[in-house]
Amino acid sequence: QVQLQQWGAGLLKPSETLSLTCAVSGGSFSGYYWNWIRQPPGKGLEWIGDITHTGSTNDNPSLQSRVTISVDTSTGQFSLKLNSVTAADTAVYFCARGSPATGDAMDVWGQGTTVTVSS
Amino acid sequence: DIQMTQSPSSLSASVGDRVTITCRASRSIRTYLNWYQQKPGQVPKLLIFDGSTLHSGVASRFSGSGSGTEFTLTINSLQPEDFATYSCQQTYSTPRTFGQGTKLEIK
Repeated sequence: QVQLQQWGAGLLKPSETLSLTCAVSGGSFSGYYWNWIRQPPGKGLEWIGDITHTGSTNDNPSLQSRVTISVDTSTGQFSLKLNSVTAADTAVYFCARGSPATGDAMDVWGQGTTVTVSS
Repeated sequence: DIQMTQSPSSLSASVGDRVTITCRASRSIRTYLNWYQQKPGQVPKLLIFDGSTLHSGVASRFSGSGSGTEFTLTINSLQPEDFATYSCQQTYSTPRTFGQGTKLEIK
């Protein structure tokens, strides 16, 4: 049973860098898209970006090149960095697996990390 | 970017009702359309992928249909545990955009 466990700092000041990591256990790391998604309070889901085990990435242009997604296949982890955060980046952040078996739909999710940006 | 628009934004229904939620894409996404269910404070759960394929373990009262730009999620015989927010998402292209969500409430 594949599980995703995520962690990272939950309180940031404006202009700081958000840093989250997601560890994959119980399954293969290769052959999937590893995604980051966020959900501002009371709002819908926003896709941030994804990465494959080879390090190939896609990200959402709406985040204006502030995103870096990286992967460490030796540990089965992938990470998100979002720089120059503002209050608008306050959200619950999720990692999730996109599977070719489900048309790249996100079939396994991390537990979510609440990130608050406040001075 | 492909814009995903859901309707309605909210919906009230009773246990036993049949409800339909619509998701429209700003351009064709073939059948690369997924539906998720999310309850307050919980992680989204995949219900349907490829427009109409029920994900493993999902109750058969959920069904999806559509292709191109218009899709529907139907829930037959609503159960108390179905009251939640439903979101569509396209995985045809990046960025993999979501609809704004439809909140299904008990009447």
